[in-house]
Amino acid sequence: AQSVAQPEDQVNVAEGNPLTVKCTYSVSGNPYLFWYVQYPNRGLQFLLKYITGDNLVKGSYGFEAEFNKSQTSFHLKKPSALVSDSALYFCAVRDYSGTYKYIFGTGTRLKVLA
Amino acid sequence: EAQVTQNPRYLITVTGKKLTVTCSQNMNHEYMSWYRQDPGLGLRQIYYSMNVEVTDKGDVPEGYKVSRKEKRNFPLILESPSPNQTSLYFCASSSAAQGDGYTFGSGTRLTVV
Repeated sequence: AQSVAQPEDQVNVAEGNPLTVKCTYSVSGNPYLFWYVQYPNRGLQFLLKYITGDNLVKGSYGFEAEFNKSQTSFHLKKPSALVSDSALYFCAVRDYSGTYKYIFGTGTRLKVLA
Repeated sequence: EAQVTQNPRYLITVTGKKLTVTCSQNMNHEYMSWYRQDPGLGLRQIYYSMNVEVTDKGDVPEGYKVSRKEKRNFPLILESPSPNQTSLYFCASSSAAQGDGYTFGSGTRLTVV
């Protein structure tokens, strides 16, 4: 069965430092992987996706994610964190085997400290 | 502007009083879905629809109904709400094309007393 795991409930990082939010996945076919961000009192917004091609994917707001097939990981990264990056981040995988269903991780709260 | 519109944003109701949360998208998307978000549980899918008149249960469908009579609309119906349905609800849509991400609505915060 398809699944997504975000092992950290919360990640704290100092402003200006690099950040990583971890995600691992389990899929039976080719993985279609996504990151979404949720700011307080807002819906989720699409950040970036991996479909095929380069393992380093660039997205919105300076975020990027690294796809690692051997480790079945899709970690979200940013070279220099901003206080405004503080939000809830969700990793997701989409199942194209028939239901087109998205499976979401439980979310990681990122707190960037000034 | 491409968007998913949910209404209402906030709703307080009493146990047993039927309610409908509306969801509409203007992107001609085939796929629409409802989620509830609860602390520590992430997003859980309630129902989804792959096209008009095609709906199916997600992970937590009990106590909810949906319909998809038109491509743009996907209302969520709670026939007899209970306090354990107090939650933050999101509607989302996407095309069926491989690699297409979701567009989410702004959410409906429902409180059942």
